[in-house]
Amino acid sequence: AQKVTQAQTEISVVEKEDVTLDCVYETRDTTYYLFWYKQPPSGELVFLIRRNSFDEQNEISGRYSWNFQKSTSSFNFTITASQVVDSAVYFCALSEMNRDDKIIFGKGTRLHILP
Amino acid sequence: ETGVTQTPRHLVMGMTNKKSLKCEQHLGHNAMYWYKQSAKKPLELMFVYNFKEQTENNSVPSRFSPECPNSSHLFLHLHTLQPEDSALYLCASSQGEGGVYNEQFFGPGTRLTVL
Repeated sequence: AQKVTQAQTEISVVEKEDVTLDCVYETRDTTYYLFWYKQPPSGELVFLIRRNSFDEQNEISGRYSWNFQKSTSSFNFTITASQVVDSAVYFCALSEMNRDDKIIFGKGTRLHILP
Repeated sequence: ETGVTQTPRHLVMGMTNKKSLKCEQHLGHNAMYWYKQSAKKPLELMFVYNFKEQTENNSVPSRFSPECPNSSHLFLHLHTLQPEDSALYLCASSQGEGGVYNEQFFGPGTRLTVL
């Protein structure tokens, strides 16, 4: 069973539009971590955020915001006023605390920001 | 150099060749990781090393052999690979006692093609 689902394979929006990337996860653990990573064309993944399962507060960092909803097992990522430099593949990931050194990535969403 | 570096950036090898991928982190981290990223699968964690000790082998075939001589260097020795092993191999590191629930810093990857 797929534990991290990013249903949107590819999204294209025009610059300055807002865009939300969806992430749905599956776990039986009560303690777990969720992540978002960005992979620009250069290849290396860049850490964006980590959220533990006990902290459901939404987070905002500049133009980025994250909506964590345990009730729907979702951890969605919104980019406000998108810019061309936001074009990348974005990965959501899950790490369960009782599965030491296991991390499961979603398949990623390729985001194109059109000028 | 800073961050996580990987060499070579590109590698083409035949199925009977033996080659090694190198990763070096300049961040003072204690944990290092190998990931495989192929076109049709999610990012897959292969190996984890904490303080030079291997703590995870995610059912990786024996034709991949990791080596961690110290906490700054990680190698992936390759022999008798198959064409399906062609992928981007990413190295990452993290602080603390390791564990994939920490923020990871990634290298740019080695693009491997097996002929």
